Amino acid sequence: QQQVKQSPQSLIVQKGGISIINCAYENTAFDYFPWYQQFPGKGPALLIAIRPDVSEKKEGRFTISFNKSAKQFSLHIMDSQPGDSATYFCAARGDKIIFGKGTRLHILP
Amino acid sequence: KAGVTQTPRYLIKTRGQQVTLSCSPISGHRSVSWYQQTPGQGLQFLFEYFSETQRNKGNFPGRFSGRQFSNSRSEMNVSTLELGDSALYLCASSLGPSRSLGLNYEQYFGPGTRLTVT
Repeated sequence: QQQVKQSPQSLIVQKGGISIINCAYENTAFDYFPWYQQFPGKGPALLIAIRPDVSEKKEGRFTISFNKSAKQFSLHIMDSQPGDSATYFCAARGDKIIFGKGTRLHILP
Repeated sequence: KAGVTQTPRYLIKTRGQQVTLSCSPISGHRSVSWYQQTPGQGLQFLFEYFSETQRNKGNFPGRFSGRQFSNSRSEMNVSTLELGDSALYLCASSLGPSRSLGLNYEQYFGPGTRLTVT
């Protein structure tokens, strides 16, 4: 049973636009929500993470918005660049870490 | 500082064989976790080791096993390989174990071992 649902599966955004990826979870015991970026042939790399006592966290062009009551969190990439084209995974940590299925993001030059 | 290294990078095995994959964590990291990544199932947690002890295990059959050595290096073994075991196997290291706070839990992934079972 998948406990972290990620959408959309794929996303195409114009250069300079905002990319938004959403995740929803079921287990209220999750206490840490990271996002990972993965390029072809590479392992995932931690992009940004948030704890449930914070509603928003921003690092450069990347922002996580967290809605505890709705059990949802999202990644916003501002001023999206072609170099941001990659697969993005959300995750949630409880006793073990559960990943979303991933979003393949393509930024049009 | 060197990143997480995994060997071998690519492996082709025949159904029924067994395989051992190796992971060297970032220097100073004591926790190693293993994941299986497939197009259909995505990233799935296999197990976590901290200070040579398995702390957590995912929902995989007993054919999947692992261990961690005193220098924090880890190996995972898959016995009696099946076609469905074809996947990218990723190792990630962190300073502390799961449930750590802050920087102690940030995981750094290796490039993975691509296993193909024929």
